[in-house]
Amino acid sequence: QVQLQESGPGLVKPSQTLSLTCTVSGGSISSGGYYWSWIRQHPGKGLEWIGYIYYSGSTYYNPSLKSRVTISVDTSKNQFSLKLSSVTAADTAVYYCASSPSAEGFDPWGQGTLVTVSS
Amino acid sequence: QSVLTQPPSASGTPGQRVTISCSGSSSNIGSNYVYWYQQLPGTAPKLLIYRNNQRPSGVPDRFSGSKSGTSASLAISGLRSEDEADYYCAAWDDSLSGHWVFGGGTKLTVL
Repeated sequence: QVQLQESGPGLVKPSQTLSLTCTVSGGSISSGGYYWSWIRQHPGKGLEWIGYIYYSGSTYYNPSLKSRVTISVDTSKNQFSLKLSSVTAADTAVYYCASSPSAEGFDPWGQGTLVTVSS
Repeated sequence: QSVLTQPPSASGTPGQRVTISCSGSSSNIGSNYVYWYQQLPGTAPKLLIYRNNQRPSGVPDRFSGSKSGTSASLAISGLRSEDEADYYCAAWDDSLSGHWVFGGGTKLTVL
Protein backbone atom coordinates (compact mmCIF):
# COMPACT_ATOMS: atom_id res chain seq x y z
CA GLN A 1 0.00 0.00 0.00
CA VAL A 2 1.44 3.31 -1.11
CA GLN A 3 1.91 5.96 1.58
CA LEU A 4 2.71 9.63 1.10
CA GLN A 5 4.25 12.15 3.47
CA GLU A 6 4.56 15.89 2.93
CA SER A 7 7.48 17.89 4.29
CA GLY A 8 8.67 21.48 4.14
CA PRO A 9 8.61 24.83 5.96
CA GLY A 10 5.43 25.66 7.84
CA LEU A 11 6.01 29.40 7.52
CA VAL A 12 6.81 31.34 4.35
CA LYS A 13 7.19 35.09 3.96
CA PRO A 14 5.04 37.01 1.48
CA SER A 15 6.50 37.27 -2.05
CA GLN A 16 8.77 34.27 -1.41
CA THR A 17 8.49 30.77 -2.88
CA LEU A 18 6.69 27.98 -1.06
CA SER A 19 8.51 24.65 -1.45
CA LEU A 20 7.15 21.28 -0.37
CA THR A 21 8.24 17.70 -0.95
CA CYS A 22 6.18 14.53 -0.93
CA THR A 23 7.96 11.28 -0.15
CA VAL A 24 6.35 8.13 -1.50
CA SER A 25 6.82 4.80 0.29
CA GLY A 26 5.47 1.34 -0.37
CA GLY A 27 5.77 1.72 -4.11
CA SER A 28 7.93 3.19 -6.84
CA ILE A 29 7.06 6.61 -8.20
CA SER A 30 8.42 5.52 -11.57
CA SER A 31 6.47 2.29 -11.86
CA GLY A 32 4.02 4.02 -14.16
CA GLY A 33 0.28 4.32 -14.20
CA TYR A 34 0.13 6.92 -11.47
CA TYR A 35 -0.05 10.68 -11.50
CA TRP A 36 1.30 12.47 -8.44
CA SER A 37 -0.80 15.37 -7.21
CA TRP A 38 -0.78 18.43 -5.02
CA ILE A 39 -4.07 19.64 -3.56
CA ARG A 40 -4.65 22.38 -1.01
CA GLN A 41 -7.35 23.33 1.45
CA HIS A 42 -7.67 26.87 2.76
CA PRO A 43 -8.57 27.03 6.48
CA GLY A 44 -12.17 26.00 6.94
CA LYS A 45 -12.71 25.83 3.18
CA GLY A 46 -12.96 23.31 0.38
CA LEU A 47 -10.37 21.54 -1.74
CA GLU A 48 -8.41 23.04 -4.63
CA TRP A 49 -6.39 20.97 -7.09
CA ILE A 50 -2.99 22.51 -7.76
CA GLY A 51 -1.62 20.10 -10.35
CA TYR A 52 -0.01 16.74 -10.97
CA ILE A 53 2.97 15.13 -12.60
CA TYR A 54 3.68 11.80 -14.26
CA TYR A 55 6.98 10.05 -13.53
CA SER A 56 8.14 10.97 -17.04
CA GLY A 57 7.89 14.63 -16.10
CA SER A 58 4.64 15.52 -17.88
CA THR A 59 2.75 18.08 -15.84
CA TYR A 60 -0.81 19.38 -15.63
CA TYR A 61 -1.65 22.50 -13.63
CA ASN A 62 -4.72 24.31 -12.40
CA PRO A 63 -5.16 27.21 -14.85
CA SER A 64 -5.74 29.61 -11.95
CA LEU A 65 -2.31 28.83 -10.46
CA LYS A 66 -0.35 27.82 -13.53
CA SER A 67 1.76 30.98 -13.75
CA ARG A 68 3.15 30.43 -10.23
CA VAL A 69 3.36 26.63 -9.93
CA THR A 70 6.11 24.16 -10.71
CA ILE A 71 5.79 20.45 -9.89
CA SER A 72 8.81 18.24 -10.36
CA VAL A 73 9.73 14.62 -9.70
CA ASP A 74 12.90 12.98 -8.41
CA THR A 75 12.63 9.27 -9.18
CA SER A 76 15.96 8.51 -7.49
CA LYS A 77 14.56 9.70 -4.16
CA ASN A 78 10.99 8.52 -4.84
CA GLN A 79 9.80 12.07 -4.24
CA PHE A 80 7.90 14.79 -6.02
CA SER A 81 7.88 18.47 -5.17
CA LEU A 82 5.81 21.62 -5.34
CA LYS A 83 7.05 25.16 -5.78
CA LEU A 84 4.60 28.06 -5.59
CA SER A 85 6.11 31.46 -6.25
CA SER A 86 5.17 34.97 -5.16
CA VAL A 87 3.02 33.77 -2.30
CA THR A 88 0.56 35.94 -0.41
CA ALA A 89 -1.61 35.37 2.64
CA ALA A 90 -4.19 33.85 0.27
CA ASP A 91 -1.84 30.88 -0.19
CA THR A 92 -2.09 29.96 3.48
CA ALA A 93 -3.55 26.46 3.45
CA VAL A 94 -3.07 22.82 4.28
CA TYR A 95 -1.20 21.28 1.38
CA TYR A 96 -1.80 17.62 0.56
CA CYS A 97 0.02 15.32 -1.79
CA ALA A 98 -1.88 12.40 -3.26
CA SER A 99 -1.51 9.69 -5.84
CA SER A 100 -3.84 9.44 -8.77
CA PRO A 101 -3.97 5.95 -10.30
CA SER A 102 -4.39 6.26 -14.04
CA ALA A 103 -5.27 9.92 -13.45
CA GLU A 104 -8.54 8.77 -11.87
CA GLY A 105 -9.30 10.38 -8.58
CA PHE A 106 -6.93 10.82 -5.67
CA ASP A 107 -6.04 7.85 -3.50
CA PRO A 108 -4.34 7.73 -1.11
CA TRP A 109 -3.56 11.15 0.37
CA GLY A 110 -0.77 12.30 2.64
CA GLN A 111 -1.68 13.62 6.05
CA GLY A 112 -1.28 17.21 4.89
CA THR A 113 0.96 20.04 6.05
CA LEU A 114 -0.12 23.53 7.07
CA VAL A 115 1.76 26.34 5.37
CA THR A 116 1.24 29.84 6.69
CA VAL A 117 2.26 32.88 4.67
CA SER A 118 3.16 35.68 7.02
CA SER A 119 5.96 38.13 7.67
CA GLN B 1 -16.91 29.94 -5.67
CA SER B 2 -16.51 26.24 -6.48
CA VAL B 3 -17.10 24.93 -10.01
CA LEU B 4 -19.21 22.06 -8.68
CA THR B 5 -22.15 23.02 -6.47
CA GLN B 6 -22.98 21.14 -3.29
CA PRO B 7 -25.31 22.04 -0.43
CA PRO B 8 -23.22 23.37 2.48
CA SER B 9 -24.93 21.11 4.99
CA ALA B 10 -27.00 17.98 5.39
CA SER B 11 -28.25 16.07 8.38
CA GLY B 12 -29.99 12.89 9.43
CA THR B 13 -30.65 10.65 12.37
CA PRO B 14 -29.01 7.26 12.92
CA GLY B 15 -30.42 4.65 10.57
CA GLN B 16 -31.78 7.18 8.10
CA ARG B 17 -30.82 7.55 4.45
CA VAL B 18 -29.38 10.87 3.33
CA THR B 19 -28.34 12.12 -0.07
CA ILE B 20 -25.88 14.82 -1.04
CA SER B 21 -26.12 16.43 -4.46
CA CYS B 22 -23.39 17.75 -6.73
CA SER B 23 -24.23 19.92 -9.71
CA GLY B 24 -21.86 20.73 -12.55
CA SER B 25 -21.84 21.36 -16.28
CA SER B 26 -21.29 19.67 -19.61
CA SER B 27 -17.53 20.20 -19.40
CA ASN B 28 -17.12 18.33 -16.12
CA ILE B 29 -19.83 16.03 -14.74
CA GLY B 30 -21.61 15.93 -18.08
CA SER B 31 -18.64 14.31 -19.81
CA ASN B 32 -16.46 12.77 -17.10
CA TYR B 33 -16.60 10.50 -14.08
CA VAL B 34 -17.54 11.81 -10.64
CA TYR B 35 -15.56 11.02 -7.51
CA TRP B 36 -16.59 11.45 -3.87
CA TYR B 37 -14.33 12.01 -0.88
CA GLN B 38 -15.01 11.80 2.84
CA GLN B 39 -13.04 14.02 5.20
CA LEU B 40 -13.40 13.16 8.87
CA PRO B 41 -12.59 15.98 11.30
CA GLY B 42 -8.89 16.75 11.43
CA THR B 43 -7.92 14.18 8.82
CA ALA B 44 -7.04 14.03 5.14
CA PRO B 45 -9.78 13.28 2.61
CA LYS B 46 -10.37 9.65 1.68
CA LEU B 47 -11.70 8.31 -1.62
CA LEU B 48 -15.24 7.06 -1.11
CA ILE B 49 -16.64 6.61 -4.62
CA TYR B 50 -14.86 6.50 -7.99
CA ARG B 51 -16.16 6.35 -11.55
CA ASN B 52 -19.60 7.63 -10.47
CA ASN B 53 -20.68 4.58 -8.49
CA GLN B 54 -17.72 2.31 -7.70
CA ARG B 55 -16.59 1.71 -4.14
CA PRO B 56 -12.91 1.11 -3.28
CA SER B 57 -12.30 -1.96 -1.21
CA GLY B 58 -13.09 -1.34 2.43
CA VAL B 59 -15.83 1.24 1.81
CA PRO B 60 -19.14 -0.07 3.20
CA ASP B 61 -21.96 -0.67 0.74
CA ARG B 62 -24.02 1.83 2.74
CA PHE B 63 -22.32 4.40 0.52
CA SER B 64 -23.48 4.64 -3.09
CA GLY B 65 -23.05 7.08 -5.93
CA SER B 66 -25.03 7.94 -9.02
CA LYS B 67 -24.87 10.36 -11.90
CA SER B 68 -27.41 11.74 -14.33
CA GLY B 69 -26.58 14.34 -16.94
CA THR B 70 -24.65 17.15 -15.28
CA SER B 71 -25.52 16.17 -11.72
CA ALA B 72 -24.43 13.49 -9.32
CA SER B 73 -25.39 12.37 -5.86
CA LEU B 74 -23.98 10.46 -2.95
CA ALA B 75 -26.35 8.39 -0.84
CA ILE B 76 -25.62 7.11 2.63
CA SER B 77 -28.03 4.56 4.04
CA GLY B 78 -28.19 3.26 7.61
CA LEU B 79 -26.60 6.47 8.84
CA ARG B 80 -24.11 6.10 11.67
CA SER B 81 -22.53 8.63 14.01
CA GLU B 82 -19.12 7.93 12.48
CA ASP B 83 -20.41 9.16 9.10
CA GLU B 84 -20.36 12.72 10.44
CA ALA B 85 -17.83 14.36 8.14
CA ASP B 86 -17.36 16.68 5.19
CA TYR B 87 -18.09 15.19 1.77
CA TYR B 88 -16.66 16.50 -1.49
CA CYS B 89 -17.46 15.68 -5.10
CA ALA B 90 -14.86 16.05 -7.84
CA ALA B 91 -14.61 15.66 -11.60
CA TRP B 92 -12.20 16.38 -14.42
CA ASP B 93 -13.15 19.50 -16.33
CA ASP B 94 -12.33 19.56 -20.04
CA SER B 95 -12.17 23.35 -20.28
CA LEU B 96 -8.92 25.36 -20.29
CA SER B 97 -6.78 22.37 -21.33
CA GLY B 98 -8.30 20.26 -18.56
CA HIS B 99 -8.13 20.38 -14.80
CA TRP B 100 -9.70 18.80 -11.73
CA VAL B 101 -12.53 20.65 -10.01
CA PHE B 102 -14.14 20.08 -6.63
CA GLY B 103 -17.42 20.91 -5.00
CA GLY B 104 -17.42 23.24 -2.03
CA GLY B 105 -18.15 20.38 0.33
CA THR B 106 -21.15 19.31 2.39
CA LYS B 107 -20.94 19.00 6.14
CA LEU B 108 -23.00 16.02 7.25
CA THR B 109 -24.32 16.12 10.80
CA VAL B 110 -25.71 13.00 12.45
CA LEU B 111 -28.33 14.21 14.90
